[in-house]
Amino acid sequence: ETGVTQSPTHLIKTRGQQVTLRCSSQSGHNTVSWYQQALGQGPQFIFQYYREEENGRGNFPPRFSGLQFPNYSSELNVNALELDDSALYLCASSLRGLGQETQYFGPGTRLLVL
Amino acid sequence: AQSVTQPDIHITVSEGASLELRCNYSYGATPYLFWYVQSPGQGLQLLLKYFSGDTLVQGIKGFEAEFKRSQSSFNLRKPSVHWSDAAEYFCAVVTNSGNTPLVFGKGTRLSVIA
Repeated sequence: ETGVTQSPTHLIKTRGQQVTLRCSSQSGHNTVSWYQQALGQGPQFIFQYYREEENGRGNFPPRFSGLQFPNYSSELNVNALELDDSALYLCASSLRGLGQETQYFGPGTRLLVL
Repeated sequence: AQSVTQPDIHITVSEGASLELRCNYSYGATPYLFWYVQSPGQGLQLLLKYFSGDTLVQGIKGFEAEFKRSQSSFNLRKPSVHWSDAAEYFCAVVTNSGNTPLVFGKGTRLSVIA
């Protein structure tokens, strides 16, 4: 069974640029959630994708957007990067449909915005 | 809205000593409760979860947690700490619909001394 993978592991961008982060869900999972974890904080929910549609969103501006593909992998896109976007971005996958959903996390992508 | 409080920002214990990490949640009904562990620079690993039934749940690495409805608590315990347990620990909650995002506490950093 393959776990959740994310790419890249690290990247550095400058203010105003755009970035795309990628996530492959665990085998058999159909739902992907994205979280932002600032330094010294707990993860904060960005949004969730199920059946290729956004299915819930946290308190993040529209410049945070995403996609889910037919194979359940997902992308997180951030436009017009700001310094405060520097964080660890975590992807979690889960299987919806049975209730008692458990989310399993990938290793994260660490983004630094200069 | 749901919230999770982890009152202890940082705890230091001696190797071999017992450990208890506190977690309190705010939610009207019975939530689903989780403990995750995060090693430096890594993603989140699921330690254990509570959905229903026996209020004492066993997890990986010798950890256990007890759900106490009257105290709105879900404290994590380990009888004998190993140096490899040094990490950040996060308590998280979702509503019992199971499809809503995880709400995390701010975490407790555990240091282990010889």
